[in-house]
Amino acid sequence: SQQGEEDPQALSIQEGENATMNCSYKTSINNLQWYRQNSGRGLVHLILIRSNEREKHSGRLRVTLDTSKKSSSLLITASRAADTASYFCATDTGANSKLTFGKGITLSVRP
Amino acid sequence: DAGVTQSPTHLIKTRGQQVTLRCSPKSGHDTVSWYQQALGQGPQFIFQYYEEEERQRGNFPDRFSGHQFPNYSSELNVNALLLGDSALYLCASSLLQGSYSNQPQHFGDGTRLSIL
Repeated sequence: SQQGEEDPQALSIQEGENATMNCSYKTSINNLQWYRQNSGRGLVHLILIRSNEREKHSGRLRVTLDTSKKSSSLLITASRAADTASYFCATDTGANSKLTFGKGITLSVRP
Repeated sequence: DAGVTQSPTHLIKTRGQQVTLRCSPKSGHDTVSWYQQALGQGPQFIFQYYEEEERQRGNFPDRFSGHQFPNYSSELNVNALLLGDSALYLCASSLLQGSYSNQPQHFGDGTRLSIL
């Protein structure tokens, strides 16, 4: 079963614009992670935010977590064509246990 | 520093056959998890191996089985293949022993399994 639900399902923006993706989940979590997947390839870990953290930055990425609303957002600033990919949020409810993924968001960045 | 490697990259089988997929974890990792990703969907957790034992299992039938070897590498076996088993099978590794929780998982590029 899917724990995370990303929103929107697809996003198309112009290069240089910011992209915001949202994720909601259902149960209490230990941490929430965002992954990127290029077509037909494996998942690349982007950022992990613990349940006791509210915001985290990594380069052009900014992630927020609101455990009271059971939601997270991923912001990619100054997007590039190379950011075109599918993005997934995944929740970890235990200690390095299984990840439960959403269906993903398809991001297209137009040059 | 080698990342997670999976073999083969592509595989075509027919219904009823059996298949074995292989995974070598990232150097220094001791835990291997397997996921199934159907087209257009997010990955679904199959099971996780640690210290050569199945540590956790997702909602998959017994046709799906696995193994972890002393060198931490792992195999995923699927028996009596069904058309619905067509998917990308992803292996992920992480470090469990001696680590704090909240470790990211590192994924391989997957094995694309097609059932005819």
